[in-house]
Formats: sequence, structure tokens, C-alpha cells
Amino acid sequence: EPEVTQTPSHQVTQMGQEVILRCVPISNHLYFYWYRQILGQKVEFLVSFYNNEISEKSEIFDDQFSVERPDGSNFTLKIRSTKLEDSAMYFCASRPFAYYGYTFGSGTRLTVV
Amino acid sequence: DQQVKQNSPSLSVQEGRISILNCDYTNSMFDYFLWYKKYPAEGPTFLISISSIKDKNEDGRFTVFLNKSAKHLSLHIVPSQPGDSAVYFCAASGQGAQKLVFGQGTRLTINP
Repeated sequence: EPEVTQTPSHQVTQMGQEVILRCVPISNHLYFYWYRQILGQKVEFLVSFYNNEISEKSEIFDDQFSVERPDGSNFTLKIRSTKLEDSAMYFCASRPFAYYGYTFGSGTRLTVV
Repeated sequence: DQQVKQNSPSLSVQEGRISILNCDYTNSMFDYFLWYKKYPAEGPTFLISISSIKDKNEDGRFTVFLNKSAKHLSLHIVPSQPGDSAVYFCAASGQGAQKLVFGQGTRLTINP
């Protein structure tokens, strides 16, 4: 069964450093997303990406965050200057036109120290 | 912003019995609802969904019911199995919107 692949599974970084989280969505999917889940809290939407541009973003997705789909297969989330409160599980997701194909990756645990 | 609420943080059910997980929403623009199952350190796994034009959708042991007038949906698992023990998230989306709005999750424990 096709799956969304995320790397790395765990990343530890120092506060103020830049991190790039990588995702390979399912190949025939059209919409791409990043979500995050702070420990013990709900899964929160960060950003959606369609047709090579951001289609929607949340208040969390400020100027420190950016997304890119550099080569038609990878989908990346960059955090320019990490803060302690950025520590969370980050999930990539993708879907075809229909919602029922909305598939999540297994996540990257980001720990900012 | 609590547009999707799962008021029971946990539920314990005996193996073989029915598990019923509930979800309420406030945004009348939501027209598509999904249930996800999540194990620790893994991503949410899609279980079942329902469009607002339906009131019931069934897939094997899983059935989702939607009551639009009450803005309420529920997930029934029959019969419950030990492997069903996980956190279950309800999620909703509105027409034209891209994002899913998640509830807080319900931790389901199936006891042998």
C-alpha cells in the first residue's frame, strides 16, 4: 500500500538552529500538508500546498516556517530559527482529490534543546 | 478554538463488546468527517470517513454515524479487539478548505 515517508524519524537541534524536515508524499497525490502535535495536545494544522504554492496556513505558520516541493517528489518543511516551543511531532500528509485518501506519514519527532 | 470536540479522553471496553467513540462539532460548514487511529510514535492512520450527505457509513467492524442536526458523529467498533487499543481522532473539513480540524482524541483500551 502506498505510504507517505518522512525523514528523519527523530531530530534533536539546538535553539536558534535551522532544521529541515523531509517528506515524500504518495506519488499521484495533489495536496500536501504539514501538521504538528505537541506532546499531549491535539494534532494541529500548519500549512497546505497545492499546485506548487501554499493554499492555506495557520497562525502557527509564521515567518520562521517555509515549505518547498523542490523536485516533484519531496516536500520539505524548514524552520529557520528553532525555539523550544517548536518541539513536537511533525506529520506530513498528502491526498488525492478525494478526502478519503488523506494519508499521514509516521512523523518526525523534533526536540529543540 | 474547539470546533471539533471529543469529550471523553479515555474509554475502556471489554474484548468482543461494542466500542462507541463520540465527537461533536460546532462549525456548520464542515461537510466531511474522518476517523483516524493513532499508536504512540506513529502517524494517524485513516479508518473511515463520511460525507455530510450521508448519515451512516460502514466498513467491516467500523461504522460511522452522522447526526447533522445535532452536529454529532460517532464511531462504532463491533466486535472490539485488543488490537483496537489506540488513540482515536475525529477530524472534520469544510467545503473548499484544505485542512483537517482534529478533536483532542479518545484513548480506547480493549480489555481481554
